[in-house]
Amino acid sequence: GAGVSQSPSNKVTEKGKDVELRCDPISGHTALYWYRQRLGQGLEFLIYFQGNSAPDKSGLPSDRFSAERTGESVSTLTIQRTQQEDSAVYLCASSLQGQSEETQYFGPGTRLLVL
Amino acid sequence: SQKIEQNSEALNIQEGKTATLTCNYTNYSPAYLQWYRQDPGRGPVFLLLIRENEKEKRKERLKVTFDTTLKQSLFHITASQPADSATYLCAGGDTGRRALTFGSGTRLQVQP
Repeated sequence: GAGVSQSPSNKVTEKGKDVELRCDPISGHTALYWYRQRLGQGLEFLIYFQGNSAPDKSGLPSDRFSAERTGESVSTLTIQRTQQEDSAVYLCASSLQGQSEETQYFGPGTRLLVL
Repeated sequence: SQKIEQNSEALNIQEGKTATLTCNYTNYSPAYLQWYRQDPGRGPVFLLLIRENEKEKRKERLKVTFDTTLKQSLFHITASQPADSATYLCAGGDTGRRALTFGSGTRLQVQP
């Protein structure tokens, strides 16, 4: 079906507010990844979901960040009490089975600006 | 910590020439490397994968090499076109960990 979709495409918020970012993976893909891309930098891994397994949260930068995934579908990344350094593009990707070497298919990202 | 490094300076070349982009890795022995293309305002798009036991991979005008002695991968685009202008990202992967380690990317500008 369609590719990975993310919403909103842009989000401006004030420091201290909470934000929720949404990702709809490709239908049938069991693995889902969240990455953060700061301006001019590479992608930084945040969290990985695979089927019903416990998520790999090793990349989450602080306890203000959390993510959930409903079954093998939509995922939500939540940032609580946002800080200016959270400003970045948040990219979601999915892959078929989460196997090594699998291609990751990326969404267009959510551009978050914290004022 | 494990790092993937790419030249942060933009690469400007003339149409028709071969573009060569470099990816170096430190404190790290990736089992494979993937190369992605990223256009402004878009997510990365997968191009090629090369495993540590492979010296070279080709796909149409693209060629990638993997040198485990130099800890380096080179990405070549032959007969470059203005449409090849984009940022190219190198990413390392392990057999155990599913998340990729990305470099910061190199911006390629092909002049007509």
